[in-house]
Amino acid sequence: EAGVTQSPRYAVLQEGQAVSFWCDPISGHDTLYWYQQPRDQGPQLLVYFRDEAVIDNSQLPSDRFSAVRPKGTNSTLKIQSAKQGDTATYLCASSPGWGDTQYFGPGTRLLVL
Amino acid sequence: EQQVQQSPASLVLQEGENAELQCSFSIFTNQVQWFYQRPGGRLVSLLYNPSGTKQSGRLTSTTVIKERRSSLHISSSQITDSGTYLCAMENTDKVVFGTGTRLQVSP
Repeated sequence: EAGVTQSPRYAVLQEGQAVSFWCDPISGHDTLYWYQQPRDQGPQLLVYFRDEAVIDNSQLPSDRFSAVRPKGTNSTLKIQSAKQGDTATYLCASSPGWGDTQYFGPGTRLLVL
Repeated sequence: EQQVQQSPASLVLQEGENAELQCSFSIFTNQVQWFYQRPGGRLVSLLYNPSGTKQSGRLTSTTVIKERRSSLHISSSQITDSGTYLCAMENTDKVVFGTGTRLQVSP
């Protein structure tokens, strides 16, 4: 069974630039999570979906960040105008349902100069 | 604000020694998961332990819901156990991670 895949693995931007991250969850998992993990810190939940619906995006900086999962499968996280404080690893995870074991992708490391 | 505290922040062991990692929660939860992360590697789920004691190989987790805590015991540590161990709680619609315990196992 294929695991959670993410792309790109690395991204380097200048402040003000935009970037998109992609996540392909495990087939059949209806719940998908996006986390931000700054260096030397634990992951912080940004947003999660059940199928195509956003369940909780309260931690997503809504003025610059957006996330979609239009068909309830793959998902895209976009940063419109990156800031240096966005430098972190962005993790995607999926689970069969809320409260079930989460399976993580390898993450996308973002560096904003 | 829901919080997850982990202790110790870091731990250095010699190969063969046992480790005890602690996690405490600011609220009651019955969804607790332990993860492992090697530097630069992906998060890997170790144990999903909502309550009681669960064992997987050399790992044993004990969650006491009424005391809002969970522990992870690593027996006979190996060099390859080095990395960061994170616990996470899930409650209603929130997932909160602790800041982790960095474990270094030396020969």
